[in-house]
Formats: sequence, structure tokens, C-alpha cells
Amino acid sequence: EAGVAQSPRYKIIEKRQSVAFWCNPISGHATLYWYQQILGQGPKLLIQFQNNGVVDDSQLPKDRFSAERLKGVDSTLKIQPAKLEDSAVYLCASSPRPGQGAREQYFGPGTRLTVT
Amino acid sequence: AQSVTQPDIHITVSEGASLELRCNYSYGATPYLFWYVQSPGQGLQLLLKYFSGDTLVQGIKGFEAEFKRSQSSFNLRKPSVHWSDAAEYFCAVGDSIGISGGSYIPTFGRGTSLIVHP
Repeated sequence: EAGVAQSPRYKIIEKRQSVAFWCNPISGHATLYWYQQILGQGPKLLIQFQNNGVVDDSQLPKDRFSAERLKGVDSTLKIQPAKLEDSAVYLCASSPRPGQGAREQYFGPGTRLTVT
Repeated sequence: AQSVTQPDIHITVSEGASLELRCNYSYGATPYLFWYVQSPGQGLQLLLKYFSGDTLVQGIKGFEAEFKRSQSSFNLRKPSVHWSDAAEYFCAVGDSIGISGGSYIPTFGRGTSLIVHP
């Protein structure tokens, strides 16, 4: 089966510009996660969707970050305007519907964002 | 709130030597525990997981981990390290937040970088 797809793989922008990342989860996976991984740190959850509803977005900086998951499949994460401290790898992950006995997550390759 | 501590930022071993990566967690109930590996430029790959039952868990690539409730630990081990094991290793704890459907929210440690000498 195909894995989690993300694009672009790399992005360089200047501060105050906007950027968007795209994620296509594994087919049939109900839950989708966006993580921010700053160099030297573990991934930090930004937002979690179940189908097209938000489960948790408590760590999403809502003044500049937004995310949507239309139709419960693909998802887009946007940053507007970007700051230097947003430089990180943005990871997307998906997992099967809860209750199916699988709480592990399947990660995409990530998008490395550099803000200059 | 749940948390994960990986006390070692870097670990250096010789190829063929044994390996143990430490992980301590803080969580009020029985946790869901995971170890992931991340190679440079790649996403995270699940090595193994613990939900319940046998406290010694076998994973892929010859890795195993042991859940010790009394020590709040979930250390990762491998008897003989290969050069291809050089990567970043992350321990994570998952919380069942009890919403409809039972989704959980994971918390990751900061990672341990494994360096393998020939």
C-alpha cells in the first residue's frame, strides 16, 4: 500500500511570506496528524484530525497557522506570515480509525521549511 | 500531563556491540509506548509498541524493549548493532483521551542520536 505522501519536500521562504504544505494520508486512515519538528527536538503535535473534524489543535499557533482537511482525506497546513522560528520539518502522519486496534502512526517523509 | 524523557542526546557504539537507549515516561495510567527511528531526511518509522500484556516487546530490525512500570521506563535494546542502525531514535507515549472513537494524542521525547563506529 502507498505510504503517506507530502509535498513539497523542501521549501525556502523569506520571513513574512506565506507557505502551504500538503499531505495525502494512507487510504482509509481516519486520523491525520501534523507535527512540527525543530532541529534537535522531537516532533510536536500541531493538530490532529479525525475524518474532517479537529480532535486537538491546542498547540497550533492560530494567529499564523491554519490547517484543513476537506472531505476527510487530504490535508493542507498553512503558515501566514512565517517567522524565522518556524524553520523546521513538518511531518504528516495518519493512523487507522480508532477502535480497530491500531494506535500506531504512519509518517510521511516531511517537508523541510527554511525561513530566512 | 504526560511526558517523555530521553536522557541521552548522543550514544556512540562500535559495530557489533550491544545497545540500550533509555526512555522514561510520566503518565498517570497505563501508557501506550512506542519507539520510532528516523534516518536523515526521512520520516519516522515505528520500531515497536507496547499497549498491554507481555512487558518484553519484540520489534523490527532486531530491536526489543522492556516496559518496567516500577521504573516508569521503556528502554530499547539491540544485542548487536549494525552500521545501518545509525539514526535518531524517539520514544513516545500515547494518551487515550477518551473521546468518541478513542483517538489518542502522543508525546515524543527529544530523541537520541545513535552513532555507530566501524
